[in-house]
Amino acid sequence: DQQVKQNSPSLSVQEGRISILNCDYTNSMFDYFLWYKKYPAEGPTFLISISSIKDKNEDGRFTVFLNKSAKHLSLHIVPSQPGDSAVYFCAASETGGGADGLTFGKGTHLIIQP
Amino acid sequence: NAGVTQTPKFQVLKTGQSMTLQCAQDMNHNSMYWYRQDPGMGLRLIYYSASEGTTDKGEVPNGYNVSRLNKREFSLRLESAAPSQTSVYFCASRFRRGGRTDTQYFGPGTRLTVL
Repeated sequence: DQQVKQNSPSLSVQEGRISILNCDYTNSMFDYFLWYKKYPAEGPTFLISISSIKDKNEDGRFTVFLNKSAKHLSLHIVPSQPGDSAVYFCAASETGGGADGLTFGKGTHLIIQP
Repeated sequence: NAGVTQTPKFQVLKTGQSMTLQCAQDMNHNSMYWYRQDPGMGLRLIYYSASEGTTDKGEVPNGYNVSRLNKREFSLRLESAAPSQTSVYFCASRFRRGGRTDTQYFGPGTRLTVL
């Protein structure tokens, strides 16, 4: 039973346009959400996070939106650049209980076309 | 700061062999984690250590053991490797402040093949 779902295995976007990556979750106890970026043969690197008390968090070109009622979050990258081509993982955790650690989605491979 | 380091980077084992994956962090983090990533899958938690001296099972602990050697080091042991344990293994750490969640930082991974 997948608790964090990224339903698009891949996404192709033209350089300079907006990239929107989506993530859905089923566990209503999740209260902290993160996006990680991963290049081949490297470990995931932290990109941006959001707490459940907020509905938006921005960091430069990256913005994460959280819709708690829909159990949905999205990552917007504007403008998209060639270096953004990577696999993006959505992850979630609950601070109140359960096993410590993050629950990950399967990832979305973002390809930025020149 | 090197961050989170893992050794070895690559390893090939035969079924039934044992090995230990090493992880160390120099960020003075109190919590450490082991994940595995299979093709087309997200990372799944194997074991974690919330603080020095404690370890707990994650989502997929079967076939593994861990040791939190000290605050810096957290090792993962396969006692009798099986082909199903072919995967990429990532170690992570974070500084956990009470109940608040903080970012986990990942190592570069160990690619393990079991024949």
